[in-house]
Amino acid sequence: DTEVTQTPKHLVMGMTNKKSLKCEQHMGHRAMYWYKQKAKKPPELMFVYSYEKLSINESVPSRFSPECPNSSLLNLHLHALQPEDSALYLCASSRGTSGGRNTGELFFGEGSRLTVL
Amino acid sequence: AQKVTQAQTEISVVEKEDVTLDCVYETRDTTYYLFWYKQPPSGELVFLIRRNSFDEQNEISGRYSWNFQKSTSSFNFTITASQVVDSAVYFCALSAAYSGAGSYQLTFGKGTKLSVIP
Repeated sequence: DTEVTQTPKHLVMGMTNKKSLKCEQHMGHRAMYWYKQKAKKPPELMFVYSYEKLSINESVPSRFSPECPNSSLLNLHLHALQPEDSALYLCASSRGTSGGRNTGELFFGEGSRLTVL
Repeated sequence: AQKVTQAQTEISVVEKEDVTLDCVYETRDTTYYLFWYKQPPSGELVFLIRRNSFDEQNEISGRYSWNFQKSTSSFNFTITASQVVDSAVYFCALSAAYSGAGSYQLTFGKGTKLSVIP
């Protein structure tokens, strides 16, 4: 069983809806990530939070809004999405760094499969 | 720039056969990490292994083994006596060891879909 929990597992929304994806980990990891994965493609990085601060935004459209309320939780707020945003959204976490050096691999959740109508 | 190439898009084997998944990478970093992840149909990316660039020892874990050759920039993955449960998409990935900002930036290959036929 994964130690990164994502909810909901499936989400269908209209283009005018507002919804949120949630991610939780209790491994004490200090870096958390959102990835987007289209069918038959590798995951693409969207956002990285490091020590609860947004450290990387890979030029993601503003209709995706991340939030990190604390070190265990990561949300992705969705608003006015387009059908092409339909994808599997994966959350991941890692330990972070020690002395500037990455110290751990990424652990992924099962993903939230989003369909935008 | 970093790049990971998995030339095999899809592989089919009969159960109990051995299979090797190829991974070739490019990086200018002198210190880096290589990974293999498994993605079954359920969607979760399952971490299999991390290899440091300064450690070229091969590794075996049960039916899985990894061959890291820095001279050819390859990090191949072999499954011995494959089973139906091994059917999944396998991703090879690369990251710099020092990325700053307390985070990894993984560069993924395009993945290899393995189908093990009973």
